[in-house]
Amino acid sequence: QQPVQSPQAVILREGEDAVINCSSSKALYSVHWYRQKHGEAPVFLMILLKGGEQKGHEKISASFNEKKQQSSLYLTASQLSYSGTYFCGRTGTGGGADGLTFGKGTHLIIQP
Amino acid sequence: DAGVIQSPRHEVTEMGQEVTLRCKPISGHNSLFWYRQTMMRGLELLIYFNNNVPIDDSGMPEDRFSAKMPNASFSTLKIQPSEPRDSAVYFCASTQVGYGYTFGSGTRLTVV
Repeated sequence: QQPVQSPQAVILREGEDAVINCSSSKALYSVHWYRQKHGEAPVFLMILLKGGEQKGHEKISASFNEKKQQSSLYLTASQLSYSGTYFCGRTGTGGGADGLTFGKGTHLIIQP
Repeated sequence: DAGVIQSPRHEVTEMGQEVTLRCKPISGHNSLFWYRQTMMRGLELLIYFNNNVPIDDSGMPEDRFSAKMPNASFSTLKIQPSEPRDSAVYFCASTQVGYGYTFGSGTRLTVV
C-alpha cells in the first residue's frame, strides 16, 4: 500500500519554507526521500531509520515519527533549484533490502 | 563511478514485438530494482533482486514481463509480446542495504 503524501502540489516564492508530509497505514522500518526533476531520474536525498531522528544537510531536513508512522521533509529558504517532484518511499522490514513503495509525489514549484 | 547504466534510453516498438531493457548496477551494490513510472500510477516496483536472486516479483503486471540477473553486473527486463499500455519510463536502481537507491537514467518505452 502506497504511503500518502501531502500536499499534492505547492508553489512558493524563492526564500520561503515548505513542509511535505508522508504517512503510512503500514508499519515503517525506514523512510527514504527523493527528488525528481522533469525528464530525469529520481535522486536520493536522505534516509531515516527507526528512532525518530532528524537528518538533513544544507537547508533540507526530515523527521521520522515511527509511532505515528509519519515522516516530514522540511525545505528552508527554498532555492530555485529545489523545484521538482518529491517522493517518499517506505520499506517494511529489511531496511531497504526489500523494495521501496513510493508515494504519488509532491510537486514543488519555486518562483523567483 | 559511472552510476547505474541503462540501455537503450529510448525504445519505440510495434505492438506484439519483444522488448529487452538492460541495466548495469553500481559495482558493489547487492540489491537491484526495476521500477515503472507513468503519470497515472506513479513509480511502481516491478521486481527486485538481492545478491542476483529474485526476491519479490509480485509487482510484475503480467506473464508477458520477465526479468533476469545472470550475474552481479547485469540485469534484463523483457516484455513479450509488448502492448501499448506498457508504454512508460522504466527505471533500474541499485543499492546496498541501509543506503539510498541510485537510479539509472531510465528507458522511455513507446509501444505503438
